[in-house]
Amino acid sequence: AQRVTQPEKLLSVFKGAPVELKCNYSYSGSPELFWYVQYSRQRLQLLLRHISRESIKGFTADLNKGETSFHLKKPFAQEEDSAMYYCALGASGSARQLTFGSGTQLTVLP
Amino acid sequence: DTAVSQTPKYLVTQMGNDKSIKCEQNLGHDTMYWYKQDSKKFLKIMFSYNNKELIINETVPNRFSPKSPDKAHLNLHINSLELGDSAVYFCASSQTSFGYTFGSGTRLTVV
Repeated sequence: AQRVTQPEKLLSVFKGAPVELKCNYSYSGSPELFWYVQYSRQRLQLLLRHISRESIKGFTADLNKGETSFHLKKPFAQEEDSAMYYCALGASGSARQLTFGSGTQLTVLP
Repeated sequence: DTAVSQTPKYLVTQMGNDKSIKCEQNLGHDTMYWYKQDSKKFLKIMFSYNNKELIINETVPNRFSPKSPDKAHLNLHINSLELGDSAVYFCASSQTSFGYTFGSGTRLTVV
């Protein structure tokens, strides 16, 4: 069975400070990892996926298979980054179901 | 054009009632989903459905049933609503990858 763990329910940083949102996963196969963001009372939006190795809004995430982690990082946080962040794991199979972590509420303080 | 649209956006109803939430996608995706976001913001898969198979999360009560009149629609019907059903319900769709497109959510309040 697959599982995604986001150990921090709440995370606060000051504007301009680096931020790291932790994500660990458990899956026996070859995983696909994603980060989704949900701004206040809005729909979830795909932020980035590990296979793309892209940087979106200054955020990056590297898949570390040895540590089974996919932490989200940004060197300089902005107030508009305040949102709920979900790490998600896609497992193989016809359903293409995503398993989400419990989310981390990021607050960037002025 | 909204890619995945849900109606209604808000739904307040009494315990014991039956209600439906509609979802439509205009992306041509072949798989649609329903997720429940509880008061602690935890997201849980309820159903995934394409024209070949319906996969039901075993923890979902059978009072919940998905109905798909065609490939672009996946509605959620709930019988005998209970207080614990209060949550935000998200519809989503995807094609060949896991890149979901989510709807804006339906906030259901059972009183």
